[in-house]
Amino acid sequence: NAGVTQTPKFQVLKTGQSMTLQCAQDMNHNSMYWYRQDPGMGLRLIYYSASEGTTDKGEVPNGYNVSRLNKREFSLRLESAAPSQTSVYFCASKDSPYGYTFGSGTRLTVV
Amino acid sequence: TQLLEQSPQFLSIQEGENLTVYCNSSSVFSSLQWYRQEPGEGPVLLVTVVTGGEVKKLKRLTFQFGDARKDSSLHITAAQPGDTGLYLCAGAKSNTGKLIFGQGTTLQVKP
Repeated sequence: NAGVTQTPKFQVLKTGQSMTLQCAQDMNHNSMYWYRQDPGMGLRLIYYSASEGTTDKGEVPNGYNVSRLNKREFSLRLESAAPSQTSVYFCASKDSPYGYTFGSGTRLTVV
Repeated sequence: TQLLEQSPQFLSIQEGENLTVYCNSSSVFSSLQWYRQEPGEGPVLLVTVVTGGEVKKLKRLTFQFGDARKDSSLHITAAQPGDTGLYLCAGAKSNTGKLIFGQGTTLQVKP
């Protein structure tokens, strides 16, 4: 079905390792977002891309980088993972004035 | 800084009871959205409210946007076990589409 696809679904990293979380949407949406979700904190915006070719920092960007590869794909990179980055990461896209479509998340544990 | 405060954070009720979840802020939002999230999945949009004082109904769910567009409520009538999940409110403050999420309300409806 159409929507937002995130890979991988689960990942365990050692402190200091790097990895890239992949996100792709097939709805031709212009805007894409990366959030992290931690217990009791709701979802916090890490980075977003309002359109292809642009990226901007969100509320909690430290320790992350992003790439808007094309209109479909928006990746999130952790260069040197830390235990504080243990979280569930969600990618979302949006085109209409309201309402995000979220992926099913990547559950990341950094040990 | 949590701009959107949701209450209560946890709610456990019996099937058939009514409940209300509140989402409050000191900031004005251009729109406010409610999402429902099930374990292991991403949030799914329930409704968007845009106009101050607006009321929207979705079967047994009633959503209201405050007159000043700073707060919102979600009322569920005759709750069912299928209503169990995490309910998130999210406010939009600009045309970038960035959303600020509340901490979420975990609802458990017991048969």
